Amino acid sequence: EPEVTQTPSHQVTQMGQEVILRCVPISNHLYFYWYRQILGQKVEFLVSFYNNEISEKSEIFDDQFSVERPDGSNFTLKIRSTKLEDSAMYFCASSGRGDLSSYEQYFGPGTRLTVT
Amino acid sequence: AQKVTQAQTEISVVEKEDVTLDCVYETRDTTYYLFWYKQPPSGELVFLIRRNSFDEQNEISGRYSWNFQKSTSSFNFTITASQVVDSAVYFCALSEAGRGTDKLIFGTGTRLQVFP
Repeated sequence: EPEVTQTPSHQVTQMGQEVILRCVPISNHLYFYWYRQILGQKVEFLVSFYNNEISEKSEIFDDQFSVERPDGSNFTLKIRSTKLEDSAMYFCASSGRGDLSSYEQYFGPGTRLTVT
Repeated sequence: AQKVTQAQTEISVVEKEDVTLDCVYETRDTTYYLFWYKQPPSGELVFLIRRNSFDEQNEISGRYSWNFQKSTSSFNFTITASQVVDSAVYFCALSEAGRGTDKLIFGTGTRLQVFP
């Protein structure tokens, strides 16, 4: 069964460093997302991406964040200068439908980012 | 404003008991979707069900059932004859497709512990 994959599973970085989190969405999906979950808290939407551009972003997704689909398979989240409060589990998700009337978002296993 | 409330922070049951997880949502949209996701201890988010606002028919899938009531803005999830493997955090989520957005708005989750 097709699934969303994410690498790495755990990333430790120092404050101020840049990190790139990688995702491979399900191959025929059209919509891509990043969410994050601070330990013990709820899952929060960061950004959605469709047709090679951001379709929506949350207040969390400030200038320090960027997303890219550099080729036909990968979808990346870059944090330019990490802060302690960026420590969280980051989930990538994808959905396949061409319209919003029927779709499910399938999540990857997550990347745990620890900023020290 | 859109919001999902899961008032039960944690529930503990003994195996074979039935358990209901509550979810109450707020939205001004008439077109929206409701979801349940399971997050086992391993951390991934597993899609369980999607319901659209036009379909109030309850759904049963094996030991799982969902009760959607628009009159009370609730989308409750019942596990019948619970098993230890059901131990997880369960998230209810809302998507306001009528606004042309597909971001998921999650509740804070309910941690279910099933003891043998």
